[in-house]
Parts: sequence; structure tokens; C-alpha cells
Amino acid sequence: QSALTQPASVSGSPGQSITISCTGTSLDVGGYTFVSWYQQHPAKAPKLVIYEVSYRPSGVSNRFSGSKSGNTASLTISGLQAEDEADYYCSSYTSSSTLVFGGGTKVTVL
Amino acid sequence: QLQLQESGPGLVKPSETLSLTCTVSGDSVSSSLYYWGWVRQPPGKGLEWIGNIFYTGSTYSNPSLKSRVAISVDTSKNQFSLKLTSVTAADTAVYFCARHILTGSYNYYYYIDVWGRGTTVTVSS
Repeated sequence: QSALTQPASVSGSPGQSITISCTGTSLDVGGYTFVSWYQQHPAKAPKLVIYEVSYRPSGVSNRFSGSKSGNTASLTISGLQAEDEADYYCSSYTSSSTLVFGGGTKVTVL
Repeated sequence: QLQLQESGPGLVKPSETLSLTCTVSGDSVSSSLYYWGWVRQPPGKGLEWIGNIFYTGSTYSNPSLKSRVAISVDTSKNQFSLKLTSVTAADTAVYFCARHILTGSYNYYYYIDVWGRGTTVTVSS
């Protein structure tokens, strides 16, 4: 299975909105609503911020939102804050009943 | 409070078998609501899904690792384990254990909702 495609880096100023894309195929992202997003700070475990394309777990800021169109899912962070600076990974369920991750996107708050 | 804790050798020799165990507290590996699995992250690189297991013993694995991976569950100890055979330097990584929550129609699909802190494994002679 091939990794999902994410931009290597995205940056924005405090208060701005940024969007991270995650492109797969009809065998993963395009075929299911089981896309999730994870935030990972340096030397920490990943943390779930979006599940099933657009749902936020309890305790996650409503500044995080998710969507999907065709084979591409997106994570939007609005009102960017310094604490949002981290690596972000998308993940999708696949037709082989496995999971696949994106390559990761480094978010920089300018 | 749910906690997942990885344990095992931090150094493994090339061609040998990497063995890790994840101890679960605050939940049961016998639950019909979850799969339990492993993800790894090589130094400076992204996440790679390794595989998972249901309490019945049903498993799924990354096709690229399938021939070298074995995942097992011990319900009496509330643990699950990973064995990766014939390791090379490319298997050097932080290994995370993770809970995969079942969802969707008939609870057939899953995603990772809880992660362990991770343990570093280096493959070197």
C-alpha cells in the first residue's frame, strides 16, 4: 500500500487559517469515510484531532475541522496559535482492511 | 484512565527478532469494541502502520511487513505483543502500541484513537 500524499510543510501567522491536504485513491480515502488526523509534537506520541473525516474527539479545540472531496481529505486549523506548531498526519482505512498514513506535514506558526 | 505501555529491548542485533509487549491498563484487550496494534516511526520520518489484532486472534498487517510480522494477544495478562523477524537497520524506529476503535456498519472499520508513549528500538551489532 502506498502512503497518502501530504504537503511536506505549511505555515501561517497567528490568527490565520491553514489547510493541509491528504490525497489517496478510491481504495482508501476516496472509498471510505474513515479518515483521521493526528497531531504530533516533537518526541511525543501522536494525538487524535479528527476522526471519520470531520468529527472532533472530546477535548479537541473547535479550531480543528476536517472535510473530504473525492480522493482528497483536508484538515483546516483556524485561528492559528503557537501551540498548533507540530507535525500532522492523516490516516485512512483501506480496502485491504489495513490502515495507511500520510507522509506528514510540518506546520509552522510564523 | 486508559494507558498503553510498551516494553522490550532497546537494542536488537541485525538478523535477529524484535520483540515488544504492550500492557493495557484501564481497558480490556478482550473488549469486542477494539483492535490493538502497532505503529512505528523511523528517526526523522513519518508514521508507518504495522498491524493489529482482535481478542479472538484475528490479525491484519501491512503488506510490506506481513512476511516478518507476528502479533499476538494474551488476554490473561491484558497484553498484546509484536514480533518482527530478520531485522535490519531500516527497522530502527520508535514503536508505538495503539488502540484501534471499531466503527461504522457492523463495527467493521477502525481507526486509532489512543496511543502509547512509544519505545525506541535500535538495530545494531
